[in-house]
Amino acid sequence: EPEVTQTPSHQVTQMGQEVILHCVPISNHLYFYWYRQILGQKVEFLVSFYNNEISEKSEIFDDQFSVERPDGSNFTLKIRSTKLEDSAMYFCASIETPYEQYFGPGTRLTVT
Amino acid sequence: TQLLEQSPQFLSIQEGENLTVYCNSSSVFSSLQWYRQEPGEGPVLLVTVVTGGEVKKLKRLTFQFGDARKDSSLHITAAQPGDTGLYLCAGLKTSYDKVIFGPGTSLSVIP
Repeated sequence: EPEVTQTPSHQVTQMGQEVILHCVPISNHLYFYWYRQILGQKVEFLVSFYNNEISEKSEIFDDQFSVERPDGSNFTLKIRSTKLEDSAMYFCASIETPYEQYFGPGTRLTVT
Repeated sequence: TQLLEQSPQFLSIQEGENLTVYCNSSSVFSSLQWYRQEPGEGPVLLVTVVTGGEVKKLKRLTFQFGDARKDSSLHITAAQPGDTGLYLCAGLKTSYDKVIFGPGTSLSVIP
């Protein structure tokens, strides 16, 4: 069964450093999303992406965040200057059939 | 702000018992969904309900969407230890919209 993949599974970085989280959505899916989940808290929406542009972003998705689809398969989330409070699980999701988002296994980001 | 609330937050029951988890919102959604999330993994979609009053059954799990499209429930019959996990209620305003998640119900089924 097709699945969304994410790399790395765990990323440790120092405060102020840039990180790029990688996602490979399911082939033929056209809508892409990033979410995050701080430990012990609920899953929160960050950004949605369609037709090579951001379609919606949350208040969390400030100027430090950016997304890119550099080729036909990858979908990346960049955090330019990480803060301690960026430590969280980051989930990528993609969708083809209405309502049915498929989530990746997540990248655990630890900012020290 | 579109919020989804779930109750109970934690639930611990004996194997074979029945349980119901509730999801409520003040907002109307075009669909409500239920996900299951294992520790360190991403949410996995269990079911989507799109019609007010709709009831869906998946083996021992029964899902219901409220008539007003603001609430949903998940009922598990004869719970098994394999049902242990975090159950997330979620809502969407449109079919390709972001998913708005509730805080989750942590279920523990004791053998």
